Amino acid sequence: QKEVEQDPGPLSVPEGAIVSLNCTYSNSAFQYFMWYRQYSRKGPELLMYTYSSGNKEDGRFTAQVDKSSKYISLFIRDSQPSDSATYLCAMSAGAAGNKLTFGGGTRVLVKP
Amino acid sequence: GAVVSQHPSWVICKSGTSVKIECRSLDFQATTMFWYRQFPKQSLMLMATSNEGSKATYEQGVEKDKFLINHASLTLSTLTVTSAHPEDSSFYICSARQETYNSPLHFGNGTRLTVT
Repeated sequence: QKEVEQDPGPLSVPEGAIVSLNCTYSNSAFQYFMWYRQYSRKGPELLMYTYSSGNKEDGRFTAQVDKSSKYISLFIRDSQPSDSATYLCAMSAGAAGNKLTFGGGTRVLVKP
Repeated sequence: GAVVSQHPSWVICKSGTSVKIECRSLDFQATTMFWYRQFPKQSLMLMATSNEGSKATYEQGVEKDKFLINHASLTLSTLTVTSAHPEDSSFYICSARQETYNSPLHFGNGTRLTVT
């Protein structure tokens, strides 16, 4: 069993819809949770960063962490074709800048 | 924001040769950098942790004599793939950690290595 599980998709949605992504994990030591967006042949771009349980909102993006269930989510409102990419969840223990454990990534397609 | 630059973005080399990849933090100092490897349609796998002024720490299964890491300054880490073989063809990505409390990692744009 992988430490971080993420549905690979692809997840196809019409433009303007809400994109819902999630990851589950098994290591209770994880305290810092990140979401990265990766376009083809590019490095990951940090979207959201949260500590412990709770919600965080930034523009069209909302990240949720439920440590009791070992479950994290990312919601993208008013999705645009430019949001089409692979979304990676990542986690670390101890500090946000420690080495990360990544989920496998979910490929998202937003159709105009 | 924090910028991490990686060079080259794409390299083709012949089997048996060595290739050096550079990772630079452009607007901050990074005592710690990480090197990842990503195969097509797979996630990032950590190869090693690069520490300025000391030896790198390699993950289990990563050959330290094949993937040489040098972190000689606070803004530069290099990864050298020695005696490259076709199975080393992959996407190599570095990340750097800002030395402010609990800053998340920022990634470079990756280097696509093709060994023929």
